[in-house]
Amino acid sequence: SQQGEEDPQALSIQEGENATMNCSYKTSINNLQWYRQNSGRGLVHLILIRSNEREKHSGRLRVTLDTSKKSSSLLITASRAADTASYFCAPWREGGSEKLVFGKGTKLTVNP
Amino acid sequence: DAGVIQSPRHEVTEMGQEVTLRCKPISGHNSLFWYRQTMMRGLELLIYFNNNVPIDDSGMPEDRFSAKMPNASFSTLKIQPSEPRDSAVYFCASSLAETNTEAFFGQGTRLTVV
Repeated sequence: SQQGEEDPQALSIQEGENATMNCSYKTSINNLQWYRQNSGRGLVHLILIRSNEREKHSGRLRVTLDTSKKSSSLLITASRAADTASYFCAPWREGGSEKLVFGKGTKLTVNP
Repeated sequence: DAGVIQSPRHEVTEMGQEVTLRCKPISGHNSLFWYRQTMMRGLELLIYFNNNVPIDDSGMPEDRFSAKMPNASFSTLKIQPSEPRDSAVYFCASSLAETNTEAFFGQGTRLTVV
């Protein structure tokens, strides 16, 4: 299966704390993308990390990729109540497939 | 660009009726995806198009579902006849296939079949 599997399924933290979400996948990839979904809205792209990259930063987001373990993590530092959302990873497979498949996501709740 | 535009935003219909969901992708994008999201099954990929051609429809649940993309700026997802278990939020997304980069999602259509 091409989809990633996010872990944990749910995460509840206090504002100001860091939140770490993990993604595991099974196939070789070109890149891996992380998306956020606020309740009742469409997914929004957060960050993309290519298979030859190990770490990438964007604002309060830090993504790591370990292709040997077929895993990625998303760290949100100094979380805010507005970060409350579901987070999804999407591995994009080698071989020209443009299929974009998502797992169940991690539901993050940041309590004020 | 206004982003991916889906219509209607909400649809309530009676069991057995035909339902048509519409999507306008971002201009210049050549990949289009249809997804269905429910609490039980999560976000399922139903079908995706590349250059208006259906590439993979393995996620379409059954023959009651059909999708078309007559041109680069318009796609439809049709359910005929609709059933209560089709109730879900349906999302359309588009991307530029050659760059293998981000997909842009519409706001979704919340379908309720009673």
